[in-house]
Amino acid sequence: DVKVTQSSRYLVKRTGEKVFLECVQDMDHENMFWYRQDPGLGLRLIYFSYDVKMKEKGDIPEGYSVSREKKERFSLILESASTNQTSMYLCASSDNRAFFGQGTRLTVV
Amino acid sequence: QKEVEQNSGPLSVPEGAIASLNCTYSDRGSQSFFWYRQYSGKSPELIMFIYSNGDKEDGRFTAQLNKASQYVSLLIRDSQPSDSATYLCAVILFSGGYNKLIFGAGTRLAVHP
Repeated sequence: DVKVTQSSRYLVKRTGEKVFLECVQDMDHENMFWYRQDPGLGLRLIYFSYDVKMKEKGDIPEGYSVSREKKERFSLILESASTNQTSMYLCASSDNRAFFGQGTRLTVV
Repeated sequence: QKEVEQNSGPLSVPEGAIASLNCTYSDRGSQSFFWYRQYSGKSPELIMFIYSNGDKEDGRFTAQLNKASQYVSLLIRDSQPSDSATYLCAVILFSGGYNKLIFGAGTRLAVHP
């Protein structure tokens, strides 16, 4: 079975902090994605990566950046956390079918 | 127009009935279509995928794809209370030279005894 692991299940951070969300997959997938999920808005694509060191902006990249130094790891970075970034963050890994990590519920206070 | 559209629901069906969930998409070039189930507080779980026009069956689930109408649906036969969840439709769009996986907002299904 595909395993996608996100580093934290719950996080509480202060406004202005730099926040790192880590995602690791074990299936040698080329494509990885970061989404945020908010009530009534569904899953919105923040960034995705189709290869090591390659990244593309999704629909809502503002306030975020990403890093993919190794194929199995895709990190989402909040450069300066703000309260409107409080959300559920979901990482997915794909070989065409996408598989999700368990999600990180981030609260920015 | 949203790239992937679903009725938010809730869709309420009695136990044992057929639940029909619908999804439309805007990009005629889309080739891959997925249905995910998401229980409250959990991450989405892939339950069906379909690439060709027609029907694909897996147990109580049937995915139907009509590319001419840009329409994909999920039928759940013999619905059970445990099927109560949000169902997300997802489509791979080819945009800017890359494949993007885009989700609809989801349809909430409630199966009542």
